[in-house]
Amino acid sequence: SAVISQKPSRDICQRGTSLTIQCQVDSQVTMMFWYRQQPGQSLTLIATANQGSEATYESGFVIDKFPISRPNLTFSTLTVSNMSPEDSSIYLCSVVAPDGYTFGSGTRLTVV
Amino acid sequence: GEDVEQSLFLSVREGDSSVINCTYTDSSSTYLYWYKQEPGAGLQLLTYIFSNMDMKQDQRLTVLLNKKDKHLSLRIADTQTGDSAIYFCAAYGGSQGNLIFGKGTKLSVKP
Repeated sequence: SAVISQKPSRDICQRGTSLTIQCQVDSQVTMMFWYRQQPGQSLTLIATANQGSEATYESGFVIDKFPISRPNLTFSTLTVSNMSPEDSSIYLCSVVAPDGYTFGSGTRLTVV
Repeated sequence: GEDVEQSLFLSVREGDSSVINCTYTDSSSTYLYWYKQEPGAGLQLLTYIFSNMDMKQDQRLTVLLNKKDKHLSLRIADTQTGDSAIYFCAAYGGSQGNLIFGKGTKLSVKP
């Protein structure tokens, strides 16, 4: 199955700044998803990263706040912009692999 | 759209069986998944079941699917303290081909 390397694993950031999270997959994949997991909550889809086109965002998430890049079929980044304490969450990327949906190890973000 | 529900907590004794239950709403969901999340970690895929199956067994894990009642369960035999984690049920059925997750069941295993 696909192996995802996600960086950074955790970060503490000042409000008003931005953080870029990277996901590298060890094989080419068509679909790559970005999820948010707020403290004590389930996973919510932010957007689907598409290679060669703009990301597709779920209701409640906008490109200005969560810009996404997908330069090729093995790599994507999610930026959390102009952060506030409400953005403190775990952010996870996911891909569709032959044996199911595989997830990165997550980025635990704390905004102070 | 799809909605997935789980009970939030389960406590068992080491060596007992654990059964974690899940219900979903969209009968067209083709795949249903179970993930494990340990503290501070990402999601580990445990197993999945295709909608045309009733049961799937994988070592200590047994998944039962009742399509009529839209009910899914995960049984862990001989539960160990290392099984303590949050278990998420997820259904394929999001508008973008993504998974829809339940809120997770926190399993506590007492020695």
